[in-house]
Amino acid sequence: ETGVTQSPTHLIKTRGQQVTLRCSSQSGHNTVSWYQQALGQGPQFIFQYYREEENGRGNFPPRFSGLQFPNYSSELNVNALELDDSALYLCATGGAGELFFGEGSRLTVL
Amino acid sequence: GESVGLHLPTLSVQEGDNSIINCAYSNSASDYFIWYKQESGKGPQFIIDIRSNMDKRQGQRVTVLLNKTVKHLSLQIAATQPGDSAVYFCAENISASGGSYIPTFGRGTSLIVHP
Repeated sequence: ETGVTQSPTHLIKTRGQQVTLRCSSQSGHNTVSWYQQALGQGPQFIFQYYREEENGRGNFPPRFSGLQFPNYSSELNVNALELDDSALYLCATGGAGELFFGEGSRLTVL
Repeated sequence: GESVGLHLPTLSVQEGDNSIINCAYSNSASDYFIWYKQESGKGPQFIIDIRSNMDKRQGQRVTVLLNKTVKHLSLQIAATQPGDSAVYFCAENISASGGSYIPTFGRGTSLIVHP
């Protein structure tokens, strides 16, 4: 077990809606990263937060945004959902080497 | 552009055989690599890492080889077991601020172990 918890585990939304995904960790790591994993693909880096500030961003549009809180938990927000946003969203803590992943939130956009 | 990729999308082996999973990278500035294992319905799990000042690193039943000349990594699993069935990713790590790394994942190789 990695100690990284994500919620919800599954959800269904329709195009144009907004979604918030959550991540918490027991480890106390001050770095959290979010990844999008489409079916049959590797995880694609969305962004990383370090001490509540964005510390790097992948090739995702601004409608993907995030927050990290003082207790190092985090949220991923996606606005104006599109069909292609359907994927597994992974949160990971740790940053100086090994990452500890949660089991992901599976988002389906209809 | 720079990318990390895998040569074989699917590898089938018999239980007890040795498995070799290959990975090519193109960013010559990369200095840190990690192999992850992802079982169905779970997030990726760290297996082993290697830094560019090494060409080989061994763990329990796993060995990673790094050939910087041809920008190639391999993961060797000895005496493969059915529990090793999963998708394996190599991740190229790029330095970020604060001493952290941002891994870039390839597509992955699906390892299927037949009993």
